[in-house]
Amino acid sequence: DAGVIQSPRHEVTEMGQEVTLRCKPISGHNSLFWYRQTMMRGLELLIYFNNNVPIDDSGMPEDRFSAKMPNASFSTLKIQPSEPRDSAVYFCASSEGGAYTGELFFGEGSRLTVL
Amino acid sequence: AQSVAQPEDQVNVAEGNPLTVKCTYSVSGNPYLFWYVQYPNRGLQFLLKYITGDNLVKGSYGFEAEFNKSQTSFHLKKPSALVSDSALYFCAVRDGTGRRALTFGSGTRLQVQP
Repeated sequence: DAGVIQSPRHEVTEMGQEVTLRCKPISGHNSLFWYRQTMMRGLELLIYFNNNVPIDDSGMPEDRFSAKMPNASFSTLKIQPSEPRDSAVYFCASSEGGAYTGELFFGEGSRLTVL
Repeated sequence: AQSVAQPEDQVNVAEGNPLTVKCTYSVSGNPYLFWYVQYPNRGLQFLLKYITGDNLVKGSYGFEAEFNKSQTSFHLKKPSALVSDSALYFCAVRDGTGRRALTFGSGTRLQVQP
């Protein structure tokens, strides 16, 4: 299996622009997680889907952030409009069995820089 | 609420010496505890987990962790460190319901000197 695939790996954009990050989970995994990593705040859960349904989105910072999972093999995280404080590495992870097992498989991350 | 504390930002150890990376947790009910490792410019990788049973859990790459309920700790250990073990280590916890995703600690950078 190719693992969790994220794109783009690097994104540099200007404040106010729309950013879309993409994730393909491991086939057969029914849970998908978006985390954000920064030096100041560490690793934060943004949102968690189970069977394509959002279960916990309490970590989504504000209305500028939105996430979708239209099918079992694809998810997007959108930021509109982007701000410099959104600069971070965004990780997608998937697991089988919901949040139960805790064995998350992470993608390589998307490094976002907002100027 | 569930939380994890990793009191050390960095741990330095000489190659061949034993290493310990500390973690304490707070959670309602029985904890499910995990360790992950992150190498530079990579995603996190699962190392080991404690769900129930033996308090000493063995994982990948020779790592092990000891669950101590009375001290609410789950320290990561390895008998003999390798230079290649140098990385960022994260402890994580969730409650036993399975309804909440993992909460990660702030991470501890392990530096193993040759």
